[in-house]
Amino acid sequence: DVVLTQTPSILSATIGQSVSISCRSSQSLLDSDGNTYLYWFLQRPGQSPQRLIYLVSNLGSGVPNRFSGSGSGTDFTLKISGVEAEDLGVYYCMQATHAPYTFGAGTKLELK
Amino acid sequence: QVTLKESGPGILQPSQTLSLTCSFSGFSLSTSGICVSWIRQPSGKGLEWLATICWEDSKGYNPSLKNRLTISKDTSNNQAFLKITSVDTADTAIYYCARSFTIAAIFDYWGQGVMVTVSS
Repeated sequence: DVVLTQTPSILSATIGQSVSISCRSSQSLLDSDGNTYLYWFLQRPGQSPQRLIYLVSNLGSGVPNRFSGSGSGTDFTLKISGVEAEDLGVYYCMQATHAPYTFGAGTKLELK
Repeated sequence: QVTLKESGPGILQPSQTLSLTCSFSGFSLSTSGICVSWIRQPSGKGLEWLATICWEDSKGYNPSLKNRLTISKDTSNNQAFLKITSVDTADTAIYYCARSFTIAAIFDYWGQGVMVTVSS
């Protein structure tokens, strides 16, 4: 199975600070069809996960544009440009290029 | 709007079969490109994809659960189902169902989740 390694595991930030989360894959996530099936999700405390980013860098419907995704191959980054209180929770990357789909272990974003 | 809601037995004993139902509205599992998946999360831990069923009845399973999983659907009643046989305490988790509209728009809507406890 593809292993996704997220760093850091815990991220402390102040409101308004810009932060980044790394997701590194044990295999290239570039599919033979030319797409890279890498996604980012946020799970707020007590809630279901919600999708933020699809196909590396595409913002999901209703997701604020302070979120952005980048990367290729095996290295990917989620950036939040100006953390807001509603952004606190656990962030997961996920890949769907290789079966079975796998998730990273998560990065907890908390207030400093 | 799109909604999904999971239901299950709440608690069951080791070796029993877990049956879960995902009832949804706002889309149809007969529409081209639509899939419904099951994902679980043990308390305080990460997410694990279990299985997916799509509009044309294709299915995918996580091999880590070997042959214990069966996913199915009832298109007429807007429901998807998951069965897990021979459960043990390691299957205790919150179980979510989620919609995908093509693999690009994967897991764009999630249910609220249902807690399942396996205990003797």
